[in-house]
Amino acid sequence: DAMVIQNPRYQVTQFGKPVTLSCSQTLNHNVMYWYQQKSSQAPKLLFHYYDKDFNNEADTPDNFQSRRPNTSFCFLDIRSPGLGDAAMYLCATSRDGFSGANVLTFGAGSRLTVL
Amino acid sequence: GQNIDQPTEMTATEGAIVQINCTYQTSGFNGLFWYQQHAGEAPTFLSYNVLDGLEEKGRFSSFLSRSKGYSYLLLKELQMKDSASYLCAVMDSNYQLIWGAGTKLIIKP
Repeated sequence: DAMVIQNPRYQVTQFGKPVTLSCSQTLNHNVMYWYQQKSSQAPKLLFHYYDKDFNNEADTPDNFQSRRPNTSFCFLDIRSPGLGDAAMYLCATSRDGFSGANVLTFGAGSRLTVL
Repeated sequence: GQNIDQPTEMTATEGAIVQINCTYQTSGFNGLFWYQQHAGEAPTFLSYNVLDGLEEKGRFSSFLSRSKGYSYLLLKELQMKDSASYLCAVMDSNYQLIWGAGTKLIIKP
């Protein structure tokens, strides 16, 4: 089945120790998104790629970086995780970011714990 | 600013009907989405409305009134597996998705 796969599902790191989360998709979708979601809160868009074009949200901290080496893969790098970065990180894809019926397909998420 | 409002939590009984409301204020409108999110899992798509009226899909229906900035998700014949958070999201004029914080639905036997 075509899907979005995130690894790892659970990541524990120490304060300040870099972390990389990965996302792969077999849907051949053009757009890939990274969201941060804290408990009982709305998902917060960090950035997205339309093909190779990178789009950073204005309020995404510099501590968060992303790479998309090819259509299938996207990575989220957190350079120096703080306690406030503990959250679920959701990767999502969509066929086209510029149409109304732009349904997102999400991965299962990576839950980050910062000690 | 842009805003999506939905109740934080609702409780309903197995077999009953529940309506989850969503009101929005956004810069333009290109459609409204409902997603279901079970605890600790990713959101999954439920419905999309861009025109006024009711869209029915099995036990779930979604209604939209653009003039009132209002939508609801109607769940019929509730099952225990429907216990989840339901997220309302609106696509604005720039095709950006504005998300609500979600409504946690608790189903009791």
